Amino acid sequence: GESVGLHLPTLSVQEGDNSIINCAYSNSASDYFIWYKQESGKGPQFIIDIRSNMDKRQGQRVTVLLNKTVKHLSLQIAATQPGDSAVYFCAENGNQAGTALIFGKGTTLSVSS
Amino acid sequence: SAVISQKPSRDICQRGTSLTIQCQVDSQVTMMFWYRQQPGQSLTLIATANQGSEATYESGFVIDKFPISRPNLTFSTLTVSNMSPEDSSIYLCSATPIYRDRITEAFFGQGTRLTVV
Repeated sequence: GESVGLHLPTLSVQEGDNSIINCAYSNSASDYFIWYKQESGKGPQFIIDIRSNMDKRQGQRVTVLLNKTVKHLSLQIAATQPGDSAVYFCAENGNQAGTALIFGKGTTLSVSS
Repeated sequence: SAVISQKPSRDICQRGTSLTIQCQVDSQVTMMFWYRQQPGQSLTLIATANQGSEATYESGFVIDKFPISRPNLTFSTLTVSNMSPEDSSIYLCSATPIYRDRITEAFFGQGTRLTVV
């Protein structure tokens, strides 16, 4: 599978590979984290979320890992498909009240068949 | 889940004018927000739209430039005032339920693509 240790703005993978997208968050007080997928011309679409009392959560073909020690979040996509091509954003409830999502830099995932 | 409708979906405006963007949610939600997304960039939180009171603005955004209303639980407006070309961006409305005082997934509208000429 393809993985990146640091945030990179783009990730290119072959269909069927596993993809790992990384994100560093900024607010140590954040306790809710979420990954979104955004396709061109559309609003962000929910993929998976995780709270700070967990370090791993699995969905359908996706897994989110949370490392609070180093404030790092990752999204793993298994058996990546061309339809997964999009921009992926992580977000944390990092505003002062903890009620709004603050977005990280996106990663553009390109899947070739 | 919630479905969010924004109007207009896009507009081209003259500098110095103002545009009001409407956001309608199909179910009652606790929190509503406005974001800006410049081309190829991430989303930046403008403000939290509070029902029946003044919006809470993030650093770098002020009420005079981005007045926000939220008259009820399902509707909000964002006005971009005295526009300049630097205001050209996508503006996104978001809504989230707060369940048992805990934030949950936020839903997004399709956005309003604003071009200022």
